[in-house]
Amino acid sequence: QKEVEQDPGPLSVPEGAIVSLNCTYSNSAFQYFMWYRQYSRKGPELLMYTYSSGNKEDGRFTAQVDKSSKYISLFIRDSQPSDSATYLCAMSRMGGGNKLTFGTGTQLKVEL
Amino acid sequence: DSGVTQTPKHLITATGQRVTLRCSPRSGDLSVYWYQQSLDQGLQFLIQYYNGEERAKGNILERFSAQQFPDLHSELNLSSLELGDSALYFCASGGEGHNEKLFFGSGTQLSVL
Repeated sequence: QKEVEQDPGPLSVPEGAIVSLNCTYSNSAFQYFMWYRQYSRKGPELLMYTYSSGNKEDGRFTAQVDKSSKYISLFIRDSQPSDSATYLCAMSRMGGGNKLTFGTGTQLKVEL
Repeated sequence: DSGVTQTPKHLITATGQRVTLRCSPRSGDLSVYWYQQSLDQGLQFLIQYYNGEERAKGNILERFSAQQFPDLHSELNLSSLELGDSALYFCASGGEGHNEKLFFGSGTQLSVL
């Protein structure tokens, strides 16, 4: 069993929809949680960073962490065609720095 | 543009061969990370260097090695290549702290035939 599980999709939504992306993990040592966006033929870029449990909002993006359930989410409001990409969750342990454990990614397509 | 440069973009080679992937980090970044992305395993951490020294090791095979040079560029050497080594190899640079952003290059697509 992988340490981090993520539904690969693909997920197709209409423009303007609210998108919910999720990951579950098994290792309770993970303390730092991130979401990366990866466009085709590009490297991942950091979208959101959260420490421990709680919510964090940045523009149209909201990240949620529920450590008791070992479950993290990324919500995208008012989704745009430019949001079409693969979204990867990532996490690390205390002292693990940027040695990240990634989910396999969810492919999102926002249709006009 | 992330500021991290990886060459070559594509590499096609045969089983049993050896290849070298090159990475130039963002100006000022001392840390270089190598990740492997395959369809079945996703993105996996291989190894980290900080200012020329190996800092952390992940799921890196013994056939693979890396180094970071005094000018801070890094090379990932893959030898005795197998079909299963076909993947996208990313280099990233950035800080070491948890809240320090990692910047990824565009990757080298390796195809082993």
